[in-house]
Order: sequence, then C-alpha cells, then structure tokens
Amino acid sequence: DGGITQSPKYLFRKEGQNVTLSCEQNLNHDAMYWYRQDPGQGLRLIYYSQIVNDFQKGDIAEGYSVSREKKESFPLTVTSAQKNPTAFYLCASSSARDPSNQPQHFGDGTRLSIL
Amino acid sequence: AQKVTQAQTEISVVEKEDVTLDCVYETRDTTYYLFWYKQPPSGELVFLIRRNSFDEQNEISGRYSWNFQKSTSSFNFTITASQVVDSAVYFCALSEVNWAGSYQLTFGKGTKLSVIP
Repeated sequence: DGGITQSPKYLFRKEGQNVTLSCEQNLNHDAMYWYRQDPGQGLRLIYYSQIVNDFQKGDIAEGYSVSREKKESFPLTVTSAQKNPTAFYLCASSSARDPSNQPQHFGDGTRLSIL
Repeated sequence: AQKVTQAQTEISVVEKEDVTLDCVYETRDTTYYLFWYKQPPSGELVFLIRRNSFDEQNEISGRYSWNFQKSTSSFNFTITASQVVDSAVYFCALSEVNWAGSYQLTFGKGTKLSVIP
C-alpha cells in the first residue's frame, strides 16, 4: 500500500545530541513537509521541500535541518540548538502539481522526548 | 493574530447527538483552500475534505457535513448522530501563499471531540 513511513515511533535525545527522524514516502509525491505538534496546539511547519535538492524554511525552522537527496526521503535532524525539542513530529507529502489545493498525506508521527 | 481559529478547545457529546465544530479563518487572498483533518488517538492526520474559495456549496458525506460561508469567513463541520469512533482531534486548515511565494497550510489549534457511549 502507498503511504508515508516515519521512524522511529519514539525517540529520546540526550542533552547536546543531534537526532534524525526518518520520513519515507512511496506515493510518488514531489512535495514533502515536516510539522511539529505540541500538546493542545495545532501543527506548525518546520521545513518543506517541493522538489529534490531544494527545501524552504517554515515558521519554526531554528534548531532543525533537513535534506532532500531523493524524492522518497525527507529526513529531519533536530540539532542541539533546538532547546525545547520535546514534541510530536509529523511528516507529510502532497502532489506538487498544484500544491495549493492538494491534501497532504501524513505519516504516523515520531514522539521525541528529552532524557 | 491567528489565521485559523477553532474557538472550541474540547467538546463532549453523548453518542447519537449532533455536534458542530467551528472554524473561522483570516486571509487576504481571493483564491484559497480550506481543509478539515481528523487526528485519532493513534496520531496520524486523516484528510476529510477540501473546499476552494469559489465554491460555497455545502457538502454532505454520510454523517459529515460542511458549511462554508465567505461572508463570515467560516467553515464549520457538523457530525450527525455522533459515534464513539468519531472521538478525535479535528483540525481546520487554510492553504494560502506564504512570504516565499509558496503555498503553505496553516492549522488551527484543533478541537478535541469526545463522544460518550
């Protein structure tokens, strides 16, 4: 079945450590997105990519980095510069033919906590 | 100022009751799109509906219906004869052009619906 796979489901980070969250899709979508969700909050956009080898900062990019070397993959690195990384992270993808009206398809999320 | 406001943080209803989730949005664009997503306890977001700014017809899909009114910038979602499986967090979202000239989804903070058997 086509879909988005995020791994791991749970992740723990030590102080000063960088961690990488994986996101893979087999929907042949051009656009991919990373969101952060805090309790009682909506989703906030961290980074997005509309094509391979290109990505743009979202509303809360500080302390995060991404790469888009392959169409199927859009990993997110939470760096030590992100002082409050505890959150639920969701990856999404959509067809970029007309990104304005395409629904985004979401993965199951990764819950990141500080040790 | 919030671009998408879901004023109801949490709602509880008894099974079989009807419930309406409110969504008010703010945009300067004349062309934009509105979405509703459902987030069950498992965490993934499930797409429910998309509506463009030029189509104000109400839409019904089974027990779900949506009322889009540009005059009040609202896009409300009604569940008829609610069921326990409807328990989830529901998000309203607005797609519009961002500062970089790309389309971006802006989400409301969500409404947590609990349907009590």
